[in-house]
Amino acid sequence: RKEVEQDPGPFNVPEGATVAFNCTYSNSASQSFFWYRQDCRKEPKLLMSVYSSGNEDGRFTAQLNRASQYISLLIRDSKLSDSATYLCAPRGRGSTLGRLYFGRGTQLTVWP
Amino acid sequence: DGGITQSPKYLFRKEGQNVTLSCEQNLNHDAMYWYRQDPGQGLRLIYYSQIVNDFQKGDIAEGYSVSREKKESFPLTVTSAQKNPTAFYLCASSKGEDGYTFGSGTRLTVV
Repeated sequence: RKEVEQDPGPFNVPEGATVAFNCTYSNSASQSFFWYRQDCRKEPKLLMSVYSSGNEDGRFTAQLNRASQYISLLIRDSKLSDSATYLCAPRGRGSTLGRLYFGRGTQLTVWP
Repeated sequence: DGGITQSPKYLFRKEGQNVTLSCEQNLNHDAMYWYRQDPGQGLRLIYYSQIVNDFQKGDIAEGYSVSREKKESFPLTVTSAQKNPTAFYLCASSKGEDGYTFGSGTRLTVV
């Protein structure tokens, strides 16, 4: 089983829509989780950190379900500028402490 | 402003040549990482270092080498043993339980 799995999409939504992505992880000991956005041919940029059950920042909400080992990202009122690839990254524990495991990403396109 | 700088932005390598990618950070981060990204693929870990003078192999270390002589610097050498080096290389750093900060990347092409 892969460390992190994401639906690759693409998700194509109109402006103003609400869209949600899921990410499942295999290491039940992971304590912190991160969502990154990556624009085409650019580096990933940190969007949100999750250390407990969830986090909210403006139009973006991340929710963690430890029992089912998945984390979701919800984007409300989508903007054209939200078009990007969204990467999920749980942090390893034990011998891999400190290392993030990245999913392949979910591609989002917001159209006018 | 603090940040993480990768150079060069674009690099062309001839067959059989070793090349070194630079990564420098002034964020006072303890840990540094090198990832490789191929088109349509996720990030794959090459090497990482949690403290100065120590580093560990990641998932795809063959054909690569690193050093960590200073906290600020973590250069990556792509050796001639790496048979398919064309990719986007990303360096990152982190402190404690925080997420990574990435550099802007180096695009390496074999000519």
